[in-house]
Amino acid sequence: SAVISQKPSRDICQRGTSLTIQCQVDSQVTMMFWYRQQPGQSLTLIATANQGSEATYESGFVIDKFPISRPNLTFSTLTVSNMSPEDSSIYLCSVDPGAGNTIYFGEGSWLTVV
Amino acid sequence: QKEVEQDPGPLSVPEGAIVSLNCTYSNSAFQYFMWYRQYSRKGPELLMYTYSSGNKEDGRFTAQVDKSSKYISLFIRDSQPSDSATYLCAMSKGNTPLVFGKGTRLSVIA
Repeated sequence: SAVISQKPSRDICQRGTSLTIQCQVDSQVTMMFWYRQQPGQSLTLIATANQGSEATYESGFVIDKFPISRPNLTFSTLTVSNMSPEDSSIYLCSVDPGAGNTIYFGEGSWLTVV
Repeated sequence: QKEVEQDPGPLSVPEGAIVSLNCTYSNSAFQYFMWYRQYSRKGPELLMYTYSSGNKEDGRFTAQVDKSSKYISLFIRDSQPSDSATYLCAMSKGNTPLVFGKGTRLSVIA
């Protein structure tokens, strides 16, 4: 498994602003993922972030809205840009430590946009 | 038809009951099956991981996969109030993103 730390754990943000979420892992991992979980919904994959390459975004998510950085094998950031109330959600960082087709999650960042 | 279907509940059971949680799926290419437990306002925690068909047991938890029926289950024996959480099934084809069910909210009443 892996220990994953996310910051901030929660925040209240003003409409139109941007917020960057940080994800730190206690070991080097190749594959990191960012998910969104809207209230009462399941997890939706935003993008896959591999070190040394551009993030790969899922349908419905674009880099201008959710820019991602992956500077090394233990760290990534997700920015939620120009936020609206519809962006109120839990944002989850997750990693695949390579043990075989499963992933582990951080505690999540709970964002409320007002 | 969604790739993964899971009854959202809520499911309420008395302490000590056997709980059965289920998911069905449509994509026969799924090979890896997982159950996650998510407490309120926390990240999902990996509970069980199964490859292909069969059963896997870990303490009070048993995961079953029936690939012929495209049906997976999680059984919780001697359920406890601390088991109250949302349980998410997830699956993948291998080296592909996980596909999650919507989660079933479980309450175990003391």
